[in-house]
Amino acid sequence: GAVVSQHPSWVICKSGTSVKIECRSLDFQATTMFWYRQFPKQSLMLMATSNEGSKATYEQGVEKDKFLINHASLTLSTLTVTSAHPEDSSFYICSARGLAGGRETQYFGPGTRLLVL
Amino acid sequence: GESVGLHLPTLSVQEGDNSIINCAYSNSASDYFIWYKQESGKGPQFIIDIRSNMDKRQGQRVTVLLNKTVKHLSLQIAATQPGDSAVYFCAENPTGGGADGLTFGKGTHLIIQP
Repeated sequence: GAVVSQHPSWVICKSGTSVKIECRSLDFQATTMFWYRQFPKQSLMLMATSNEGSKATYEQGVEKDKFLINHASLTLSTLTVTSAHPEDSSFYICSARGLAGGRETQYFGPGTRLLVL
Repeated sequence: GESVGLHLPTLSVQEGDNSIINCAYSNSASDYFIWYKQESGKGPQFIIDIRSNMDKRQGQRVTVLLNKTVKHLSLQIAATQPGDSAVYFCAENPTGGGADGLTFGKGTHLIIQP
């Protein structure tokens, strides 16, 4: 239980294009999902909280118009990096609160590696 | 702002030995802590968690200790195996149960030597 998937697993795009990343909870429903970003050899940084049916909550310093989040259903949240630039190249990871092995906690997806040329 | 941090960035241990990874946190309001393991190119994998009303919790080959007095968290891995090589992160959640976004520590790279 509590499996979280992401698609795509990696993407390479040209500067100025937009990239959409999907996060799905495969065997449970998640009213709340979270998006993190991780640069090489660094820790995970929370970007935003994705709320089903309402607006996302962004962390300080994260541009909401740059990183569009849509949580259209209880099993899907999408992160769109708009007009991507090389500095947006990073590892984007989502998580969702779920239950597995008797523990209810946050489970993470496998991540999406974005490279902007 | 408040943050969760680690004492050691890299820890090298012999296969079969026990390892201890430490973490200091600064948010005294945090009441839920989680340890994650991250292998290269993958997302964090849940290892074990602990709530602030406990000071010790054991899993399979892993033990988490919480010292609220000094705001210190540790992860003990017994009889380390090659597959334990990874980066380990502690994370905290102020409200408990992972209901909010997590604050991660810097990470410790555990290297298991044969």
